[in-house]
Amino acid sequence: GESVGLHLPTLSVQEGDNSIINCAYSNSASDYFIWYKQESGKGPQFIIDIRSNMDKRQGQRVTVLLNKTVKHLSLQIAATQPGDSAVYFCAENLSTYGNNRLAFGKGNQVVVIP
Amino acid sequence: NAGVTQTPKFQVLKTGQSMTLQCAQDMNHNSMYWYRQDPGMGLRLIYYSASEGTTDKGEVPNGYNVSRLNKREFSLRLESAAPSQTSVYFCASSEALNEQFFGPGTRLTVL
Repeated sequence: GESVGLHLPTLSVQEGDNSIINCAYSNSASDYFIWYKQESGKGPQFIIDIRSNMDKRQGQRVTVLLNKTVKHLSLQIAATQPGDSAVYFCAENLSTYGNNRLAFGKGNQVVVIP
Repeated sequence: NAGVTQTPKFQVLKTGQSMTLQCAQDMNHNSMYWYRQDPGMGLRLIYYSASEGTTDKGEVPNGYNVSRLNKREFSLRLESAAPSQTSVYFCASSEALNEQFFGPGTRLTVL
C-alpha cells in the first residue's frame, strides 16, 4: 500500500518500552481532540479522544494529555507492541468552523523494534 | 455493521475523465465527510455534509463536487480529473461532536 508516513517525523521505540507522541494544535478555542492510528493501506482508526474540560484521559494502554496553556496534546502508549507500528494523527475540532469539522496534523510515524 | 464502505478501492483515470467515488455508512450518522490524503501529509477536508440535504466546502474543494444522496450515502465526483488529484480518498461519518469513523479509502491515480 502507499506510504502515508513518507517524510514524517519518526519515533523508533523498543518493544515493551513506552511511547510518547506529541502534537501542537493551532486554535485556542478548540474544544475536542482526537488521536487516530493509521496502518499502511488502511483508513484512520480512532484511538482516544479528550474534551477541553479535561487534562488527562486514559484508555487501554493509552493516555492522552491536554495542556491548553501551551496548546499541546500528547499520546502515551504503554508497553509498545509491534502492532502499534503505524502513523498517528492528532485532530482538533475547530469551533470556528462549526461543530463537526476536524483539522488533522501531519502525523507521526511510530516504528516498533522487536 | 459494515461501518463506512467505499467503492471502488482502486481506480486509474486519464486526464479529463470523470468518475464518482461512492461512500455509504450504516451507523445512522448525520454527518459525512470526504478527505484526501497525500504522502507525508495529514488528511485534508474536501467537502462535508453536516446533515442530510446540506453540503459545504472544506479546505480543498476545487475540482470536486459532492452529493448527499440520502442519510446513508455521500458521493464525491471528479468532473474532469487532473494528475494533481492523484491521491487516496477517505470518506468518514460522525454523530455530532464525536469521533469520525473512516472507510478503507479509494486509491486514485490520474495519468
